[in-house]
Amino acid sequence: DTEVTQTPKHLVMGMTNKKSLKCEQHMGHRAMYWYKQKAKKPPELMFVYSYEKLSINESVPSRFSPECPNSSLLNLHLHALQPEDSALYLCASSQDRDGGYTFGSGTRLTVV
Amino acid sequence: EDQVTQSPEALRLQEGESSSLNCSYTVSGLRGLFWYRQDPGKGPEFLFTLYSAGEEKEKERLKATLTKKESFLHITAPKPEDSATYLCAVLSFNGQNFVFGPGTRLSVLP
Repeated sequence: DTEVTQTPKHLVMGMTNKKSLKCEQHMGHRAMYWYKQKAKKPPELMFVYSYEKLSINESVPSRFSPECPNSSLLNLHLHALQPEDSALYLCASSQDRDGGYTFGSGTRLTVV
Repeated sequence: EDQVTQSPEALRLQEGESSSLNCSYTVSGLRGLFWYRQDPGKGPEFLFTLYSAGEEKEKERLKATLTKKESFLHITAPKPEDSATYLCAVLSFNGQNFVFGPGTRLSVLP
């Protein structure tokens, strides 16, 4: 299995909703990442988990809450989002911090 | 601070018309340079990793090269299915994570 699987593929949520994005990989990668990507822009790093521990939080608002239940799973919990949070949310993993990242197909999030 | 720029911002080619994309970088010690292809609404797809100046890698119609200041992605006889955004990213010894360039949007017309 050489894939990173993200669910759901599309999500529409209201500003008062609570939802979660899920990411799964079975490549034995020990680093996992959440990125946010706006249209025609490169991905922006949000969080890094290394060996299931949060190692980097790039000053992301608290309405985004990451969770790494085990080495294969990564969640992003969403609460009280704003319309400007609408974007493509990408999960990635890598064997170590030096290697190339494998990206999932992303979750297209729309906040209404 | 690590920085990556890419040029051109957008490129339109006729099918079969070869060209090159540029990625210029400024890093405090390059650990690796990475090329990705991204289709609209999809996640980036890994193409190549280059680690040292002079290194070259090829895959089908694509060839990536690296110098101490820049990398080129050469596209030979492109086909319409090569249309995508091509992203370059660098990882430095001092930095902790990828720094992505803004990308080049390539359109190959039949």
